Amino acid sequence: DIVMTQSPDSLAVSLGERATINCKSSQSILYSSNNKNYLAWYQQKPGQPPKVIIYWASTRESGVPDRFSGSGSGTDFTLTISSLQVEDVAVYFCQQYYSTPLTFGGGTKVEIK
Amino acid sequence: QVQLQESGPRLVQPSQTLSLTCAVSGDSINSGNYYWSWIRQPAGKGLEWIGRVYTSGSTRYNPSLKSRVTISVDTSENQFSLKLSSVTAADTAVYYCARNFDGGTSWFDPWGQGTLVTVSS
Repeated sequence: DIVMTQSPDSLAVSLGERATINCKSSQSILYSSNNKNYLAWYQQKPGQPPKVIIYWASTRESGVPDRFSGSGSGTDFTLTISSLQVEDVAVYFCQQYYSTPLTFGGGTKVEIK
Repeated sequence: QVQLQESGPRLVQPSQTLSLTCAVSGDSINSGNYYWSWIRQPAGKGLEWIGRVYTSGSTRYNPSLKSRVTISVDTSENQFSLKLSSVTAADTAVYYCARNFDGGTSWFDPWGQGTLVTVSS
């Protein structure tokens, strides 16, 4: 199984400041034949299911604000919220879809400082 | 757009079988090259993929649960189902159904709202 490790477990950021979440996979999830990283990011608010916000490591889902961005390749990935808003308070998960079993990171809780 | 809705008993006795159904609305479960998955989340914890089914009936399960899991599809009812046998308190979780594609190796979208299943006597 590919193990996904997120850090930190939680972070508190002031409104308008940058939030950075890291995700590391136990093996490369870059598929050489198409040069794509098989990684997605989700946002989960209390009482709601996760919602995909980034896929292919850096492609923003339609309707997702451009303050959200994804980067990284191979085994190390980052989700950045460039200017934290109140509505961004949530838990964020990464997920690899390179191979089954599909696996998720443990989640990072983002709060307002 | 496609919507998914989980249903089934919210309380299951230890050693019994957990059974849930996911109703798909807004489109035929047969349309497109989609795969249909179950995912669970214990309270305050992370997400665990349980397994998936294709409309042909082909399945793939998480090895950690494979011996206890059966996922099936009913295209005439536009739904798919989960059975998890020999449950214990460790199986208490919110269970989600979700869709993915591309041979089942993709992100999940959309998700159902989730249903909390408690294993307790």
